Amino acid sequence: EIVLTQSPGTLSLSPGERATLSCRASQSVSSSYLAWYQQKPGQAPRLLIYGASSRATGIPDRFSGSGSGTDFTLTISRLEPEDFAVYYCQQYGSSPQNMYTFGQGTKLEIK
Amino acid sequence: EVQLVESGGGLVKPGGSLRLSCAASGFTFSSYSMNWVRQAPGKGLEWVSSISSSSSYIYYADSVKGRFTISRDNAKNSLYLQMNSLRAEDTAVYYCARDRAGGHFDYWGQGTLVTVSS
Repeated sequence: EIVLTQSPGTLSLSPGERATLSCRASQSVSSSYLAWYQQKPGQAPRLLIYGASSRATGIPDRFSGSGSGTDFTLTISRLEPEDFAVYYCQQYGSSPQNMYTFGQGTKLEIK
Repeated sequence: EVQLVESGGGLVKPGGSLRLSCAASGFTFSSYSMNWVRQAPGKGLEWVSSISSSSSYIYYADSVKGRFTISRDNAKNSLYLQMNSLRAEDTAVYYCARDRAGGHFDYWGQGTLVTVSS
């Protein structure tokens, strides 16, 4: 089973700053199957990035994803007040069975 | 507009059973794999179960295997999760989520809370 480790656990930044969130996998992950989600308190997660670097419908271009193999990054180029939330990475694998794994999350808080 | 609406959550005693439902609308339900994902209070996301569009392929997380059963009724545009032998650690908000056929979830319901407590 692939384990996803996100860092940092909490990131304190100010609006207008650049945020860099990391997701490291315990073994190689297909870039096609790496996604990022945003979750605000009391709300369901929202898909931001899929296929490691493709933005989901309606997602602003200040959000970008990159990486391959075992290291993936979500970058928010210029933080807006509404971007402060928890972010999760997620991978899909088919060995030994189809399953989905989430990272433990990074909380992005206002400094 | 794609909508997923869960129902059926509530308070249940350890060892009890509960059946969750998810009503889908705004898309061709029978064309998509569907999933249940849960979130314990104050914790992260955990995938629970997946069912393919025609119910041919079904998968479970090890934590629920043998206790939970996922099913769907494409004629009713509905997804279900039968949960038996519930434990305190099953307490969570349960979300239904659509698989965008790329191994990720593009639409989520608002969730339904399941509390397992005596």
